[in-house]
Amino acid sequence: GAGVSQSPSNKVTEKGKDVELRCDPISGHTALYWYRQSLGQGLEFLIYFQGNSAPDKSGLPSDRFSAERTGGSVSTLTIQRTQQEDSAVYLCASSPWTGEETQYFGPGTRLLVL
Amino acid sequence: GEDVEQSLFLSVREGDSSVINCTYTDSSSTYLYWYKQEPGAGLQLLTYIFSNMDMKQDQRLTVLLNKKDKHLSLRIADTQTGDSAIYFCAESMGDDKIIFGKGTRLHILP
Repeated sequence: GAGVSQSPSNKVTEKGKDVELRCDPISGHTALYWYRQSLGQGLEFLIYFQGNSAPDKSGLPSDRFSAERTGGSVSTLTIQRTQQEDSAVYLCASSPWTGEETQYFGPGTRLLVL
Repeated sequence: GEDVEQSLFLSVREGDSSVINCTYTDSSSTYLYWYKQEPGAGLQLLTYIFSNMDMKQDQRLTVLLNKKDKHLSLRIADTQTGDSAIYFCAESMGDDKIIFGKGTRLHILP
């Protein structure tokens, strides 16, 4: 079946612009996670959703970052007034439910802020 | 090909040291990572080590790297109930691709 998909696969933007990244989880998966990976660094956990709610938003790097999920499916990660340090690969993952379950990762969105 | 192997389960008594082992196949790995996943949470980066190092210590955590044998270990001293989680070993070549192991579930015995 279809895995986790993300769009766009690549995004180049100018400093100060807003960007929106999209994640389509595997159908029926309740939990959805956003991560960021900068060059040469490990994964940085940003936020997760259980259904449409995000119990903990403390992983978001700044108030320029926000995420939402509607209908228990698609999620969008929005970065306002992008900065160069926001350049990274943004990965989305989903799992059947939160807990100790395998997470299935999407291919990521590579964001470059000039 | 690229592969990361680790045992699936480990049980340790509270207060003892936990040692979680991992082997990898790609000798060109630049970074090696340990992640922790607690119930209801995403993967959290615990620590990482560059491939030119053989040891890194951070409070109760000690990472040992044997590059010749492609063996990585994570030692947790004075294991507490809050350490109960799944621990993932991962490698990367410094680019944006990370290869994960399947995770070791650490169970703390009273």
